[in-house]
Amino acid sequence: GAVVSQHPSWVICKSGTSVKIECRSLDFQATTMFWYRQFPKQSLMLMATSNEGSKATYEQGVEKDKFLINHASLTLSTLTVTSAHPEDSSFYICSSREEASGGFSYEQYFGPGTRLTVT
Amino acid sequence: GQNIDQPTEMTATEGAIVQINCTYQTSGFNGLFWYQQHAGEAPTFLSYNVLDGLEEKGRFSSFLSRSKGYSYLLLKELQMKDSASYLCAALDSNYQLIWGAGTKLIIKP
Repeated sequence: GAVVSQHPSWVICKSGTSVKIECRSLDFQATTMFWYRQFPKQSLMLMATSNEGSKATYEQGVEKDKFLINHASLTLSTLTVTSAHPEDSSFYICSSREEASGGFSYEQYFGPGTRLTVT
Repeated sequence: GQNIDQPTEMTATEGAIVQINCTYQTSGFNGLFWYQQHAGEAPTFLSYNVLDGLEEKGRFSSFLSRSKGYSYLLLKELQMKDSASYLCAALDSNYQLIWGAGTKLIIKP
């Protein structure tokens, strides 16, 4: 199956600083990538859909100026948490679907996740 | 609105069989996924159903009834490593995944 990597796997930062998380599709091209957040004992919450070469589409309630998404190539999307606060501490997961001319695979392949702790 | 319902938690015994149910209401429907998620890890794909019926894959099987908006995941010969959360997700008309809250499965010896 397709492989998605995510870096870093965990990060601790101080309140007020910014953190960048990278998501890469290793063996397929990903026009679309998805960013999720998951709090302990809760399900995945879609934050935004990242489209290569265009602006991301944010879900209702997600601040686009706080969670900056850049999808500069078909294999890389980044999420930057700006001016992080302790309430931003969470498990951030990216995913993608394999795409080819004429369509895409419905299955989403998940990265291993990034655990962010803001102190 | 769109909604996915599944039990919050279930307990089963090692070696037994367990069925995790999921009901869904979505704007359009393009299939239903089951994912397994161990604590602190990302979800991993288990199954995808878009047609009615049962799909068997080793110890895991998944069933779908589109007319009832219902699916279940059946796990046989339970092993301790099956202790995890099982996430049900429906693909809506925009091909967006609508996620359930997950069912935490606890396996006891």
